[in-house]
Amino acid sequence: DVKVTQSSRYLVKRTGEKVFLECVQDMDHENMFWYRQDPGLGLRLIYFSYDVKMKEKGDIPEGYSVSREKKERFSLILESASTNQTSMYLCASSLDPSGLLDNEQFFGPGTRLTVL
Amino acid sequence: GENVEQHPSTLSVQEGDSAVIKCTYSDSASNYFPWYKQELGKGPQLIIDIRSNVGEKKDQRIAVTLNKTAKHFSLHITETQPEDSAVYFCAARGGKLIFGQGTELSVKP
Repeated sequence: DVKVTQSSRYLVKRTGEKVFLECVQDMDHENMFWYRQDPGLGLRLIYFSYDVKMKEKGDIPEGYSVSREKKERFSLILESASTNQTSMYLCASSLDPSGLLDNEQFFGPGTRLTVL
Repeated sequence: GENVEQHPSTLSVQEGDSAVIKCTYSDSASNYFPWYKQELGKGPQLIIDIRSNVGEKKDQRIAVTLNKTAKHFSLHITETQPEDSAVYFCAARGGKLIFGQGTELSVKP
């Protein structure tokens, strides 16, 4: 079974702190994604990566950056956390090197981040 | 921009009844429509999907229908069971995969 793991289930940080959310997948997937989930807004794509060291902005990239130094690991970085970044963060991966197929996305369990 | 609208936001049914969740999409180039189920404390998991060359697809108690002309698609769950209680997300892909807002389904025993 594909497994996507996220470094923390719950995280509490203070405004202005630098925050790292880590995601690891064990199925050699090419694509990795970071979403945030908010009530009434569904899942919104922050960033995605289709290869090592490659990244693309999603729909809401402002205030975030990402890093993909290894194929299995995709990190989300909040350079200076703000209270409006309090949310559930979901990482996902999928297998599709060509980007032409509609492959299932496999999600991690999520990290609930609270910024005080 | 591309948008997916999902209704209702909450749905409560009695065990054994049917449940229907509806979505509409704006991008006429969308050609792939997955449905994800998110159980409490877990990430979303794909339960069924449909492509634009198919009007209906069924897998045991769940079915999806697609009306390309009207740009809407629906999830139907028959003979609901308490374990169907979860948040369900529709999505549509033209360029990127866009998710709906989610429906919290509660099945009461």
